[in-house]
Amino acid sequence: GQNIDQPTEMTATEGAIVQINCTYQTSGFNGLFWYQQHAGEAPTFLSYNVLDGLEEKGRFSSFLSRSKGYSYLLLKELQMKDSASYLCAVSGGGFKTIFGAGTRLFVKA
Amino acid sequence: NAGVMQNPRHLVRRRGQEARLRCSPMKGHSHVYWYRQLPEEGLKFMVYLQKENIIDESGMPKERFSAEFPKEGPSILRIQQVVRGDSAAYFCASSERTGGSETQYFGPGTRLLVL
Repeated sequence: GQNIDQPTEMTATEGAIVQINCTYQTSGFNGLFWYQQHAGEAPTFLSYNVLDGLEEKGRFSSFLSRSKGYSYLLLKELQMKDSASYLCAVSGGGFKTIFGAGTRLFVKA
Repeated sequence: NAGVMQNPRHLVRRRGQEARLRCSPMKGHSHVYWYRQLPEEGLKFMVYLQKENIIDESGMPKERFSAEFPKEGPSILRIQQVVRGDSAAYFCASSERTGGSETQYFGPGTRLLVL
């Protein structure tokens, strides 16, 4: 079957660093996406990992280990506006992109 | 450069009515995907279309739901004889190419409420 797991909720403090984990089991693998979704809004693209390793983009970094079926999204210097849901999604076999249920991040002052 | 457009943003229907959701992809994008999102849940793939063709509809219920992407005009997701369980946010996404690795850009969604 196809399964993507990520924590339901996380809380962190403004200015801190938070790591959101994602594990996946899919029938195929082309790459892994991270999207950010604020409440009531559309998901917006954050990152796409194809190869193992860490990709850094400003305050956000994403890591992938294909052998372990594991990824994480690292957010540094947290800001209040980072409070949102973070969706892990795997582009697997065929044309589908399978989304996890998302991790709701609460950033407190 | 307009992004993905969806309308209406909110739609209220009574049980048994029809709902039509429209999606205009980003300029230059010919691949459209529809997803459904229930409260507190992730996005569930419904259907993938290219111009005039349904490529993958494995996530779409067999009855009452249909989708099209005509040569001219927006993609349409049609739900006939709506039931309360159809209440959800429906997101459309588009990409320039396919192959699984293409980034999908999402529209603002249509929130359907069935009374």
